[in-house]
Order: sequence, then structure tokens, then C-alpha cells
Amino acid sequence: DIQMTQSPSTLSASVGGRVTITCRASQSISSWLAWYQQKPGKAPKLLIQKASSLESGVPSRFSGSGSGTEFTLTISSLQPDDFATYYCQQYKSDPLTFGGGTKVEI
Amino acid sequence: QVQLVQSGAEVKKPGSSVKVSCKASGGTFSSETINWVRQAPGQGLEWMGGIIPIFATANNAQKFQGRVTITADESTRTAYMELSSLTSEDTAVYYCARSVAVRSAMDVWGQGTTVTVSS
Repeated sequence: DIQMTQSPSTLSASVGGRVTITCRASQSISSWLAWYQQKPGKAPKLLIQKASSLESGVPSRFSGSGSGTEFTLTISSLQPDDFATYYCQQYKSDPLTFGGGTKVEI
Repeated sequence: QVQLVQSGAEVKKPGSSVKVSCKASGGTFSSETINWVRQAPGQGLEWMGGIIPIFATANNAQKFQGRVTITADESTRTAYMELSSLTSEDTAVYYCARSVAVRSAMDVWGQGTTVTVSS
């Protein structure tokens, strides 16, 4: 199984600040990586797929980069609506696996 | 617009089974993958398995082999996930989520179904 490791697990940031979350895969997954945002009591929401392809309707302050085993999600200017938990997920091969999550808090 | 609507919350006894449904509206359904993902209280996301309805064969995570049955009914555009031999560790929110192709992310999610296992 491909293990996905996210860091940090918790991140404190301010509105307007820049946030970077890292996700590492235990083996190369090319660009088969997605990022999701989840708010309490809600289903995850897809932000980015194929490592850097922004989903329609997702604000441009979100961006993704990386390939192979190392990936990042960047929020360029944190907004109040962005305080949530973020997960990476590989879909190169089954079983599909998620990172442990990064909680972005004030 | 594709929407996935799941069945309601369940309370089950240890040792019993639960069956959760996921009805799709919009989209193709038959050639898309319906995944099942669960989230225990305060924990992360865990993929359980998925099915492409037109092929009718599910691919399940090894952890759940022998305990999970994922099926789909093309006529009603509904997917099902049945989990047997429940324990308290199966208490979680269960989500269905669509992938439009084998190598694509989960772009549409159901609202989640809370399953509580308690004696």
C-alpha cells in the first residue's frame, strides 16, 4: 500500500497569511494526487486534482504543486472560510489512501 | 449537476450488519466509480472500496475483505455498502463519493451516513 504522510498535523495561521501543507508518498505516484478541504460535520470537498489542477469554482488563492513523492498545497492569502482540515489522497493505485490531515486553525 | 444522496443514520448492535445506500442523480453512473470512504470520530478518511456499476465487480480494501460488500443497481442508479460483523470500531460516518474515471479524484460526495455501533 502507498502511505501518505502529511505535515504539519496542525497549523496556526492568521487571516491574510500564507499557508503551505506538505504531503509525501511512500513511493512515486506521478501526479495522481488530490487535495480535499473538510469542515466540521461536512463531507470533504475536492480542491485540486492531478497535483496542480484547480477544480472549477475553487478560489485561485489555492494552488498545488509537486510530482513523484513530494507535494504541497499552498493557500496564498488565508481567508476566514479557509479554516478547515485538509487531506491529500493518492489515486495512482488501489487501495486509495489519504494523508492524516492538516487542521488549519486561527 | 451530479448529486449523491445517502440513506439515514443507523444504530446497530455489535455483531450485526448495516447496509447504506447512495442514490445518484445526474452524471453517467454506470461507467463511473462509486467509492466508499469512512471517517471515525475525530479521525481521518479511510477508503473502503469502490465499484463501477457497469462491471458490477467491487474492489475492496484488504482491511475490509470478507466484511464489506459493495454493490450497485444500474436501474435505480443506487450503490450500496454493506458491512457485517460490526464492532464499536466501525462507529463512523460513511461517505459515498464519485470518481468519473479509474484514475480520477473523488469530485462529488454524498452527505454522509452516521453509523453507531453500540450495545
